[in-house]
Amino acid sequence: RKEVEQDPGPFNVPEGATVAFNCTYSNSASQSFFWYRQDCRKEPKLLMSVYSSGNEDGRFTAQLNRASQYISLLIRDSKLSDSATYLCVATGTSYDKVIFGPGTSLSVIP
Amino acid sequence: NAGVTQTPKFRILKIGQSMTLQCAQDMNHNYMYWYRQDPGMGLKLIYYSVGAGITDKGEVPNGYNVSRSTTEDFPLRLELAAPSQTSVYFCASTPVPAYEQYFGPGTRLTVT
Repeated sequence: RKEVEQDPGPFNVPEGATVAFNCTYSNSASQSFFWYRQDCRKEPKLLMSVYSSGNEDGRFTAQLNRASQYISLLIRDSKLSDSATYLCVATGTSYDKVIFGPGTSLSVIP
Repeated sequence: NAGVTQTPKFRILKIGQSMTLQCAQDMNHNYMYWYRQDPGMGLKLIYYSVGAGITDKGEVPNGYNVSRSTTEDFPLRLELAAPSQTSVYFCASTPVPAYEQYFGPGTRLTVT
């Protein structure tokens, strides 16, 4: 089993739609979780950290379920500019490293 | 404050050639990482460093070497290039692992 798994995608949604991405992690000792965004042929950039109580940043909401070892990202009112690949990240067995998931591609269509 | 810089942006190598990918950061971060990303795939960790003079292998270290003589610089060396090393290489740094990683713009390498 991969350490961090994500919905394979791609997701193609119309502007204004709500879309949810799911991610699971295998290491029950993982403490920190993140969502990164990667535009085509660009470097990944942090979208948001994921806190135990869940957190929201504008149209983006992240949730963590430690019992199920599951992380989610909800995007409301999708914009064309949200088209990108979304990477789920969790700290791994070693404190020094994090594990990146394979990413889920989103295309928002006019 | 330039953040994380990488050179070159693009490179084409012939099989068997060697090269060094440069990475530098000006944020005084102790932790630095080298990843490779194949088309349509996620990031795979090649090597990482927790401070000057300390490096360790990641998931896919074969065919690569690193050094970390200063806090700022973390070069990645390819000794005998192979087609399987065709990829995009990203360098990243962070003050602590459980925090945001700052990425460089990447080096696109083709080995033919």
